[in-house]
Amino acid sequence: DSGVTQTPKHLITATGQRVTLRCSPRSGDLSVYWYQQSLDQGLQFLIQYYNGEERAKGNILERFSAQQFPDLHSELNLSSLELGDSALYFCASSPRRGYEQYFGPGTRLTVT
Amino acid sequence: AQSVTQLDSQVPVFEEAPVELRCNYSSSVSVYLFWYVQYPNQGLQLLLKYLSGSTLVKGINGFEAEFNKSQTSFHLRKPSVHISDTAEYFCAVSEDTGGFKTIFGAGTRLFVKA
Repeated sequence: DSGVTQTPKHLITATGQRVTLRCSPRSGDLSVYWYQQSLDQGLQFLIQYYNGEERAKGNILERFSAQQFPDLHSELNLSSLELGDSALYFCASSPRRGYEQYFGPGTRLTVT
Repeated sequence: AQSVTQLDSQVPVFEEAPVELRCNYSSSVSVYLFWYVQYPNQGLQLLLKYLSGSTLVKGINGFEAEFNKSQTSFHLRKPSVHISDTAEYFCAVSEDTGGFKTIFGAGTRLFVKA
């Protein structure tokens, strides 16, 4: 158990819908990262937050957004969902920027 | 890092044989290096890390890796693998360019055969 929690574990929704994925980092970790993993694209970095502020952006679509709240939990919002958004979404946290990351169990999103 | 290359997408090996999973990166600044393992239907777990100091790093489950700055490599090794080592292995590099960004390699699938 990494100490990072993600909810929900599974999510099935229809095209065009909007969903919110939630992540709670390990106690004391200020950095949160979001990743998308699919068979054809591999592990793609989406976005990073540090203590509530956005610090780095990767291959995140404009339809996707994220935020980190004062209690350090983070949410990833995915809107206007398309079939191609079906993937595993991982959250990770880190004790210090650039250091090792601790991954949550992931949320499996299926868009039908 | 501008890129992280894992040179083998799949590595089949017999149980109790040694294995090396190769990782090369490109960067012009100081880096931190990591190997992660992902078992089926699970998140990634940290195997080992290089932040500074000795270039030979030991991790969990008998794995080790060596940082070679001149060759910009960080290959992962294990002298004797088990069936339970079958998994996907990811090399990752963090570089300090004012803000840290971590780049993951495409992954190497290690398949251990009996």
